[in-house]
Amino acid sequence: GESVGLHLPTLSVQEGDNSIINCAYSNSASDYFIWYKQESGKGPQFIIDIRSNMDKRQGQRVTVLLNKTVKHLSLQIAATQPGDSAVYFCAEGGAADYKLSFGAGTTVTVRA
Amino acid sequence: DTAVSQTPKYLVTQMGNDKSIKCEQNLGHDTMYWYKQDSKKFLKIMFSYNNKELIINETVPNRFSPKSPDKAHLNLHINSLELGDSAVYFCASSYYTGTSGTTDTQYFGPGTRLTVL
Repeated sequence: GESVGLHLPTLSVQEGDNSIINCAYSNSASDYFIWYKQESGKGPQFIIDIRSNMDKRQGQRVTVLLNKTVKHLSLQIAATQPGDSAVYFCAEGGAADYKLSFGAGTTVTVRA
Repeated sequence: DTAVSQTPKYLVTQMGNDKSIKCEQNLGHDTMYWYKQDSKKFLKIMFSYNNKELIINETVPNRFSPKSPDKAHLNLHINSLELGDSAVYFCASSYYTGTSGTTDTQYFGPGTRLTVL
């Protein structure tokens, strides 16, 4: 089936800087996208989602951008904190397919 | 309060044994899932149940058998465990929007780390 991939497996960020995590998806029929955060030893935790009728959505310190033209998704984290260190996954889903397809994940490390 | 819970958190067993992992959700969701996460952190869907009916069954060996006694529980039974079954298994749940809707947010449990020796 289609898969979602992330551009970079690792990202090192200075505390206080903004982080941008990128994701490319290949299924043009996908209409729902989610970002999850997975801390060591824990399950994936929902961060933010966006549907295909939007191109931007903001949460607390996070923004998701969706560019359907180039099938690109990004997660921006403002003022990155040590607690943001984790593996971040993007996932996609669609009306014809009730499952989520996950990318390989980006490991974010925040430097003090 | 734990929304999606799994037991046990760790499971170490010998090759050839049969084991079960249990999952419960108290979110009122009608759909539950099992995922397998390998050593490279890749998450792959295995099964999904909606109101106790199987709706997703990916290419998984038939040694894996999910069982849903009610919509709040989805257990995973594994027969004749093999070394390659070692992984972290996650349960998740969501609302099911059906063919007229789209996928909904899935909430994950803490995971069960299975080690087959």
